[in-house]
Amino acid sequence: GAVVSQHPSRVICKSGTSVKIECRSLDFQATTMFWYRQFPKQSLMLMATSNEGSKATYEQGVEKDKFLINHASLTLSTLTVTSAHPEDSSFYICSASSAEVPSNQPQHFGDGTRLSIL
Amino acid sequence: DAKTTQPNSMESNEEEPVHLPCNHSTISGTDYIHWYRQLPSQGPEYVIHGLTSNVNNRMASLAIAEDRKSSTLILHRATLRDAAVYYCILRVNGNNRLAFGKGNQVVVIP
Repeated sequence: GAVVSQHPSRVICKSGTSVKIECRSLDFQATTMFWYRQFPKQSLMLMATSNEGSKATYEQGVEKDKFLINHASLTLSTLTVTSAHPEDSSFYICSASSAEVPSNQPQHFGDGTRLSIL
Repeated sequence: DAKTTQPNSMESNEEEPVHLPCNHSTISGTDYIHWYRQLPSQGPEYVIHGLTSNVNNRMASLAIAEDRKSSTLILHRATLRDAAVYYCILRVNGNNRLAFGKGNQVVVIP
């Protein structure tokens, strides 16, 4: 089946550091990639939607200058958390979709990145 | 995003079937019903989806009510590996978004 690879799986770093998370579709061309954030005991919250070659669309309340998204190719999207602070500590998950008829196709998710800011 | 309602949690005995209900009374005619599950510390995993007819795959079965206002995910024989949060999501035609609710935490008892 389709595979989405997310890297790194875990990051621990100091406050003020910028952290880049990669999301790759391994066996299909992902025209759209999504970034979610999940706090403990809560559901996934969509942060932004990115389409290859264009600017990401951010959900209300998500700072685009804080969470930089790049989707330069059909197989790679990156999320950079700039100047991370402890409140940015969370589980970040990407997903990818290649569907022309999106509602009839599943989305494929990465295994997530656990970000801990000290 | 159209809303779904699920129990917060359910328990099941290992080796027994599990029926996970989902209400979606505001579903529109072209919305697909998708199910995903999330194991601890992992990303969500696709389980099954359908539009009007019941669906079966290697993981589960999906029974959709005739009026489409509810559906039931059926795990035929629960194993300990099926312990997860199960999300029932309506996917709007032409929209790639998935809006996750709180899901149903399934606990499998050995």
